[in-house]
Amino acid sequence: QKEVEQNSGPLSVPEGAIASLNCTYSDRGSQSFFWYRQYSGKSPELIMSIYSNGDKEDGRFTAQLNKASQYVSLLIRDSQPSDSATYLCAVIKAGNTPLVFGKGTRLSVIA
Amino acid sequence: NAGVMQNPRHLVRRRGQEARLRCSPMKGHSHVYWYRQLPEEGLKFMVYLQKENIIDESGMPKERFSAEFPKEGPSILRIQQVVRGDSAAYFCASSPRPQGRETQYFGPGTRLLVL
Repeated sequence: QKEVEQNSGPLSVPEGAIASLNCTYSDRGSQSFFWYRQYSGKSPELIMSIYSNGDKEDGRFTAQLNKASQYVSLLIRDSQPSDSATYLCAVIKAGNTPLVFGKGTRLSVIA
Repeated sequence: NAGVMQNPRHLVRRRGQEARLRCSPMKGHSHVYWYRQLPEEGLKFMVYLQKENIIDESGMPKERFSAEFPKEGPSILRIQQVVRGDSAAYFCASSPRPQGRETQYFGPGTRLLVL
């Protein structure tokens, strides 16, 4: 089982809809979870971080964490064409260990 | 992420040459991380450095690759005797404190092409 798994997509949603991006991780002791957005040919930029079970909202973005199910998701409300990018889920397993990235989900928001 | 500087942005090398990639972390950040991203692949951790120390090099190939972060100056990722399989985007990230809950901020990357 891969350490961090994401559906590669592409995930296509119409403009204004909710985009739901999912990520599962294998290490039950994982502590820190991040969502990065990466436009084609660019570097990753942080969207959200989450450390506790539940929801965390920031503008149009909501991160959801369920440690029991080893599942973290990102919801994007009112999706815009400018949200079209690859979304990378990243996990820190424990303590001072490296960030482990999933392969990313490609999101396409259709105008 | 504009605060993390990487140069060069693009680097072309022939097989067998050396590649030197530089990274200057954000101001106030003393922790640097290098990642490699192959086409259509996710980011893979290579090495984590603090000033003058390698903390974790578990993701870095044992042969041909080395990294340093001197007391003065940028962090350098060095690839000796490059091969075509080294062609990738190399990203540097930095954080103010050790990884854990700390957010890592990424630089623009260096795209290495080996001919």
